[in-house]
Amino acid sequence: GQNIDQPTEMTATEGAIVQINCTYQTSGFNGLFWYQQHAGEAPTFLSYNVLDGLEEKGRFSSFLSRSKGYSYLLLKELQMKDSASYLCAVRGATDSWGKFQFGAGTQVVVTP
Amino acid sequence: DSGVTQTPKHLITATGQRVTLRCSPRSGDLSVYWYQQSLDQGLQFLIQYYNGEERAKGNILERFSAQQFPDLHSELNLSSLELGDSALYFCASSQRQGSYEQYFGPGTRLTVT
Repeated sequence: GQNIDQPTEMTATEGAIVQINCTYQTSGFNGLFWYQQHAGEAPTFLSYNVLDGLEEKGRFSSFLSRSKGYSYLLLKELQMKDSASYLCAVRGATDSWGKFQFGAGTQVVVTP
Repeated sequence: DSGVTQTPKHLITATGQRVTLRCSPRSGDLSVYWYQQSLDQGLQFLIQYYNGEERAKGNILERFSAQQFPDLHSELNLSSLELGDSALYFCASSQRQGSYEQYFGPGTRLTVT
């Protein structure tokens, strides 16, 4: 099985940086994903890591350490529109490519 | 707009009833995923289809079933509905079975009374 942990809520000021941590325990691993979800809307894809290291995409970066079962999503130059839930998800082993496990989500609140 | 469509947008029904949710993937996408999202459970993976065949199964109840048709649209059937089945049901699609990027539809909000 898989277990994914991330903080419930984080608050930060507009223009600041926030780091959302995600730890996971899996029996198989084929990638870690971050999604953004605004209330009442569908999740939208932010990033994907399958190898160790940092992936940068504009204001968002994601880091993975497979040996530690750890990832983080870094949001820089926060904007009010970044207030949303951020979901960490892990894809299962090769024999179950589609099997995704999502964390409960981290609600990020950006204040003026 | 992700290109994934889901109907209906809202559905209100009574306990014990059966409903069908429909999903049309993005043009060219072969893989369809179904998810359930409720307030207390978060986003739960239910099932995945690839080109008409079931490929992965998650926390899908026996009262629920799904299929993917030759035109690649998919339906999720929920029967003997219970109050706890009230949730947002999302469909997502991706191009290849192992493709990492999934595109989510707008969801169907099911309310069981």
